[in-house]
Amino acid sequence: AQTVTQSQPEMSVQEAETVTLSCTYDTSENNYYLFWYKQPPSRQMILVIRQEAYKQQNATENRFSVNFQKAAKSFSLKISDSQLGDTAMYFCAFMKQEYAGGTSYGKLTFGQGTILTVHP
Amino acid sequence: SAVISQKPSRDICQRGTSLTIQCQVDSQVTMMFWYRQQPGQSLTLIATANQGSEATYESGFVIDKFPISRPNLTFSTLTVSNMSPEDSSIYLCSVPSSGTLLTRETQYFGPGTRLLVL
Repeated sequence: AQTVTQSQPEMSVQEAETVTLSCTYDTSENNYYLFWYKQPPSRQMILVIRQEAYKQQNATENRFSVNFQKAAKSFSLKISDSQLGDTAMYFCAFMKQEYAGGTSYGKLTFGQGTILTVHP
Repeated sequence: SAVISQKPSRDICQRGTSLTIQCQVDSQVTMMFWYRQQPGQSLTLIATANQGSEATYESGFVIDKFPISRPNLTFSTLTVSNMSPEDSSIYLCSVPSSGTLLTRETQYFGPGTRLLVL
């Protein structure tokens, strides 16, 4: 079974500064996907960034980028130029292919989450 | 991304009763997923609902407690039966993104249903 570990229960950062959230995972799979989701106080889960394990290049989405180290099974999220709206719970998630009812689908396993607070 | 709605958005229920949560998607999807998020915790997958077949439940979740219906490709319901205070959680549905097989490996979430059991 896959496990996802986020070792930082809480983090804080000043507005406009950079913060890095850590995530490690354990799997015997070779093909998988990794995600960072954001859950603000509204409780809506929002996809932040996605990384395919077969790609060596780190994914970037505007102010969000990842440092994907496949051998070390590490997947950290860097938020640059932090904004007040970035305040949220951030979940790292692992996805691998499963099969049910003759259909393949991606099964997500989530980490425990990191509460990020951006201070003005 | 898919637009997903859930009803109700929140509810307060008495122990021993049941609540049915609805999930509606604006596009046809083969798979739908139901998650539970207990207070201050991460998301745990309850079951996977494939249209036209029985739902597949994760370890620790049973059909008698969490029956799921999947009548068509845009709709699903999750019932929380014989509720106790331990069932107080946020329940979320999610769907894979549309597109090619590769790009389907992304999931989008509904807004969640916040349930409090007294």
